[in-house]
Amino acid sequence: GNSVTQMEGPVTLSEEAFLTINCTYTATGYPSLFWYVQYPGEGLQLLLKATKADDKGSNKGFEATYRKETTSFHLEKGSVQVSDSAVYFCALMSGGTSYGKLTFGQGTILTVHP
Amino acid sequence: DTGVSQDPRHKITKRGQNVTFRCDPISEHNRLYWYRQTLGQGPEFLTYFQNEAQLEKSRLLSDRFSAERPKGSFSTLEIQRTEQGDSAMYLCASSLAETSVDTQYFGPGTRLTVL
Repeated sequence: GNSVTQMEGPVTLSEEAFLTINCTYTATGYPSLFWYVQYPGEGLQLLLKATKADDKGSNKGFEATYRKETTSFHLEKGSVQVSDSAVYFCALMSGGTSYGKLTFGQGTILTVHP
Repeated sequence: DTGVSQDPRHKITKRGQNVTFRCDPISEHNRLYWYRQTLGQGPEFLTYFQNEAQLEKSRLLSDRFSAERPKGSFSTLEIQRTEQGDSAMYLCASSLAETSVDTQYFGPGTRLTVL
């Protein structure tokens, strides 16, 4: 079956540090890949997505590249801010289906200190 | 605000009671999903509607759970004879079937606590 594995958290960084949150997946076919973010007290928000191999999703300074050969979709940001403190979820949607049942990783808590 | 809304935001109930949650999707969205999220975990898929038709149910959805979307707009999720293991955040998401990738927009969730 499908599964998503994220790096263990929590991750604590100082402002302006470089961020990487690792995500690897197992899936049949060619899934679409997503990063969602959950800010304190708020619902899940789509951060970025990539639908095929070598696609790069980007938003708000965050980037992730769909790597089929390593089955990975690592999230990166060059300079984090305190406002980036949140829980980040990697997710996949199976390819070849007509609708989008998402499979999520367990989430990574990010805390950014001034 | 025209996002996905859920009601109530919090529900505390005693074991054995029935509870019902409501989800109002984004108005033009024809797909609606329910997920469950327990502490420290990512959301897990429960069920999916396209318009008013319930097209898939997870094995996580026991016989005590039922979901409806009677007119293809809002949806309800009912849990009968609640158990402590039902305590979780219940998330609703909606999407538009016409897009090439089924991008889902989530509501704020209903947090259920079963005492």
